[in-house]
Amino acid sequence: ILNVEQSPQSLHVQEGDSTNFTCSFPSSNFYALHWYRWETAKSPEALFVMTLNGDEKKKGRISATLNTKEGYSYLYIKGSQPEDSATYLCAFTGNQFYFGTGTSLTVIP
Amino acid sequence: DSGVTQTPKHLITATGQRVTLRCSPRSGDLSVYWYQQSLDQGLQFLIQYYNGEERAKGNILERFSAQQFPDLHSELNLSSLELGDSALYFCASSGGPTDYEQYFGPGTRLTVT
Repeated sequence: ILNVEQSPQSLHVQEGDSTNFTCSFPSSNFYALHWYRWETAKSPEALFVMTLNGDEKKKGRISATLNTKEGYSYLYIKGSQPEDSATYLCAFTGNQFYFGTGTSLTVIP
Repeated sequence: DSGVTQTPKHLITATGQRVTLRCSPRSGDLSVYWYQQSLDQGLQFLIQYYNGEERAKGNILERFSAQQFPDLHSELNLSSLELGDSALYFCASSGGPTDYEQYFGPGTRLTVT
């Protein structure tokens, strides 16, 4: 069983703060790294898919970077808003799909 | 709305029974994925189909099977159900086999009593 680790497990920030979290994955047999946003009682929503070392993706205030050689990806949220409160999941694609356990973000108004 | 539909939304059945979960992918998507989310676990990948063929297999029990039909909808069959099979089962679809964004359906909540 392959380990995809996310840290921190949970995070509380004030509205307007910027924050970031980490996804660590094996650096071998890498095909892609996915980030998802998952709100309570809803389905995961795709944020980014990254495939190349050094990839950087951005969507509004959220961005992500990828380092496949050392096996990590960072997700950044700039100027957090209460509607950003959710669990952020990463998933490593090798010969199958492995999800991390997520980082639960709470943005306090 | 992701465009992925799953039926039924909820299913309650007894141990030992067999059920079928159905998934219709987004229009044009060729890949379908099945995931299980149990109460005390994160998302677990079960199986992927791409254009009718099995593409990748995860931690899918032998009591479970799936297929993707020519119209690209997929069914997940769960048999000899046990209490531990109670979970939320998600289907997702994507346009390609591996490095495409996956769009998740609303899930089927299975309760085995």
